[in-house]
Amino acid sequence: KAGVTQTPRYLIKTRGQQVTLSCSPISGHRSVSWYQQTPGQGLQFLFEYFSETQRNKGNFPGRFSGRQFSNSRSEMNVSTLELGDSALYLCASSLTADYGYTFGSGTRLTVV
Amino acid sequence: QKEVEQNSGPLSVPEGAIASLNCTYSDRVSQSFFWYRQYSGKSPELIMSIYSNGDKEDGRFTAQLNKASQYVSLLIRDSQPSDSATYLCAVNAGRRALTFGSGTRLQVQP
Repeated sequence: KAGVTQTPRYLIKTRGQQVTLSCSPISGHRSVSWYQQTPGQGLQFLFEYFSETQRNKGNFPGRFSGRQFSNSRSEMNVSTLELGDSALYLCASSLTADYGYTFGSGTRLTVV
Repeated sequence: QKEVEQNSGPLSVPEGAIASLNCTYSDRVSQSFFWYRQYSGKSPELIMSIYSNGDKEDGRFTAQLNKASQYVSLLIRDSQPSDSATYLCAVNAGRRALTFGSGTRLQVQP
């Protein structure tokens, strides 16, 4: 069974640009969550989607947005990139949060 | 106070010893508890889940939960150098998303 697929694996962007990251969950998983991981802050929750609805949102500025499609695939977008947005962005899917999450390999974003 | 707290370590144990990793959480309505292992440069991998008070064993891993004390732990028996990683505690409280601790770095010395 295929795992959680994130694309692209690596990105280098310039300050002020925007970026879109993609996540395909495990087949049958309708819950998709996004996390930002940095060495100093650990895993920070961005948002969670379930059946195309945003169910939870973390404490990130409005430059961070996301969506989920009818096939459960999800995208997150970061506009007006800042140097501090450089991080590993992780997507995770689950049947429900009660069962824990399965993470994708992540997208490493570098903002220069 | 952080919602999920872990000692950042590093926790250093000799090969073959028992490694004990601890986690406390603040939300009393928390229902589901997880341990993830993350190797350097990799994404977190789910290794244990526990939902009720007591112990749950899976191979060399034992998760322990005490809801009254808001405490969850992970024991790794017969630690191996391949167990060297960061261990993340995660807690689910109802309809909220999983909240992660900052992780404990474990070093197993050959």
